[in-house]
Amino acid sequence: DGGITQSPKYLFRKEGQNVTLSCEQNLNHDAMYWYRQDPGQGLRLIYYSQIVNDFQKGDIAEGYSVSREKKESFPLTVTSAQKNPTAFYLCASSISPTVDEQYFGPGTRLTVT
Amino acid sequence: GNSVTQMEGPVTLSEEAFLTINCTYTATGYPSLFWYVQYPGEGLQLLLKATKADDKGSNKGFEATYRKETTSFHLEKGSVQVSDSAVYFCALWADSNYQLIWGAGTKLIIKP
Repeated sequence: DGGITQSPKYLFRKEGQNVTLSCEQNLNHDAMYWYRQDPGQGLRLIYYSQIVNDFQKGDIAEGYSVSREKKESFPLTVTSAQKNPTAFYLCASSISPTVDEQYFGPGTRLTVT
Repeated sequence: GNSVTQMEGPVTLSEEAFLTINCTYTATGYPSLFWYVQYPGEGLQLLLKATKADDKGSNKGFEATYRKETTSFHLEKGSVQVSDSAVYFCALWADSNYQLIWGAGTKLIIKP
């Protein structure tokens, strides 16, 4: 079955540690996205990638980093510079950057204490 | 700029009640409009979409009509079920920068 996988579903870290969230897709999609979801708020775009080896900052990129070395994979690192990292993180993909339908993974809930 | 406004939740209804979740937008041009649904603890799923004025998107008994004159895309369902309990997000596709612009989400609670 084609889809997007995110692992782990729950992640716990101590303050000051970097943590990397995994996102893998086997849909052969060119574009991939990372969103952050906080209670009572819509999704906010962290980073997106239109093609392998290329990515752009979204609205809230500070304290985050990404890489896109393979078409299938778009890992997100939450660094210690992110002031409020506890949130639900969603990865999405679309066939191409100009196509409007996005497909979402199940999300990773990160808790930093 | 582009923006999406949804009615605040939670919306609490009894099973078999009629549902309306309001969504209005601000945009230049003619954006595509979407409703996504998020079940507890899961990612988002596309529920329905409409790409031009007067289009009606429909899926699983839900429907929404793209109304350019009122800049609205309200979600409706004639008879809700407990299994419809979820968070519903309205969104628009901004051609200018190829991004989805999201509403804040509306939590729907259906009581048996």
